[in-house]
Amino acid sequence: LAKTTQPISMDSYEGQEVNITCSHNNIATNDYITWYQQFPSQGPRFIIQGYKTKVTNEVASLFIPADRKSSTLSLPRVSLSDTAVYYCLVGANSGNTPLVFGKGTRLSVIA
Amino acid sequence: DADVTQTPRNRITKTGKRIMLECSQTKGHDRMYWYRQDPGLGLRLIYYSFDVKDINKGEISDGYSVSRQAQAKFSLSLESAIPNQTALYFCATSGNGGGGYNEQFFGPGTRLTVL
Repeated sequence: LAKTTQPISMDSYEGQEVNITCSHNNIATNDYITWYQQFPSQGPRFIIQGYKTKVTNEVASLFIPADRKSSTLSLPRVSLSDTAVYYCLVGANSGNTPLVFGKGTRLSVIA
Repeated sequence: DADVTQTPRNRITKTGKRIMLECSQTKGHDRMYWYRQDPGLGLRLIYYSFDVKDINKGEISDGYSVSRQAQAKFSLSLESAIPNQTALYFCATSGNGGGGYNEQFFGPGTRLTVL
């Protein structure tokens, strides 16, 4: 499994754009990049997945450079309710090898 | 109704007791997972099952066992609970949907305390 490295924590003010970068230098050809969000005492929630270039949905955008060795989760105009732990995971979409959740990035949004 | 349910939601037990945590899902997914979460350590995979006849150990299976009674049900047992099994336990499912098998759906969690 490709190992991921992401910052342990980040702080941001409300209304700002937040970018969380994840490194995955050993990503395999058939691996996808998946991000989850977890609020305290709740299970993680899938927010976005991509293979290359850019993916956008109603929650976030995911930017993946051509070499795919890193990715950036972008949260536009964060609010207090975006305070959570964000996990970056890498694995094949076939799911034959389960994803490995690391420690994630703890995002704190400040008023 | 929630798609993935876990029972009990909270449990306090004593060292040496046998305890079972249950998970049920209505999503029709083939794949189910059990994780534990300790403060500051992220989620660690205990066991996973790709279908009713398939059971696989995760990274921390020692001290745990599982049973996949049906497609919709996946139970986790602690045969003889010990204090360092105190944690928050999550069940999850995945199917070949929009996010592929990497899109997992989690239950609300069971908070287990072993005294």
